[in-house]
Amino acid sequence: GAVVSQHPSWVICKSGTSVKIECRSLDFQATTMFWYRQFPKQSLMLMATSNEGSKATYEQGVEKDKFLINHASLTLSTLTVTSAHPEDSSFYICSARDRRIEFGPGTRLTVT
Amino acid sequence: AQTVTQSQPEMSVQEAETVTLSCTYDTSENNYYLFWYKQPPSRQMILVIRQEAYKQQNATENRFSVNFQKAAKSFSLKISDSQLGDTAMYFCAFMRSRVIQGAQKLVFGQGTRLTINP
Repeated sequence: GAVVSQHPSWVICKSGTSVKIECRSLDFQATTMFWYRQFPKQSLMLMATSNEGSKATYEQGVEKDKFLINHASLTLSTLTVTSAHPEDSSFYICSARDRRIEFGPGTRLTVT
Repeated sequence: AQTVTQSQPEMSVQEAETVTLSCTYDTSENNYYLFWYKQPPSRQMILVIRQEAYKQQNATENRFSVNFQKAAKSFSLKISDSQLGDTAMYFCAFMRSRVIQGAQKLVFGQGTRLTINP
């Protein structure tokens, strides 16, 4: 069964609102979690890396004030897309790492 | 910085045939890991096979095997006796072994869309 879950699996929100995506490691403690963005028919683009209890490290070009990442525990990381716009519509994938790397099933975000 | 290149955007073969997906990478590291991931239409990322750079023996997992050429920085995936369920996007990925200023992270190639035809 799934070892990393994401919630919600899909979400539609209005432009200007914020939306939170949760990523949970179900059967292991993840020292590090990663957030990716994937556009249709493209590869995964790493947005940020988060370690439990510390600030996330964002990749170049990713707005940290727009994509807020919190890694409050060894099993939970959240990504909040603030003031969402249609161009933020995408597929967001998290992965969790301890001795292994496991991916969540992804969250499809549509901003109208 | 490390880069991963998959030069085949799309491939298509008949069921039961053998297919090889290409991947090259660029790095100055000596120790690292290489991966092939499968992303079916469900979009769940699935690990297909993993190779440690210090191991000379090519990794195999049932019908999946790799041809790892460290000097050439090449890491191809061979799928034998292909099945309809192998239809998916396949991503090659690199991860260095040592930790420098933060966590080790996966660097993905552009992907190859593989279609297995009945």
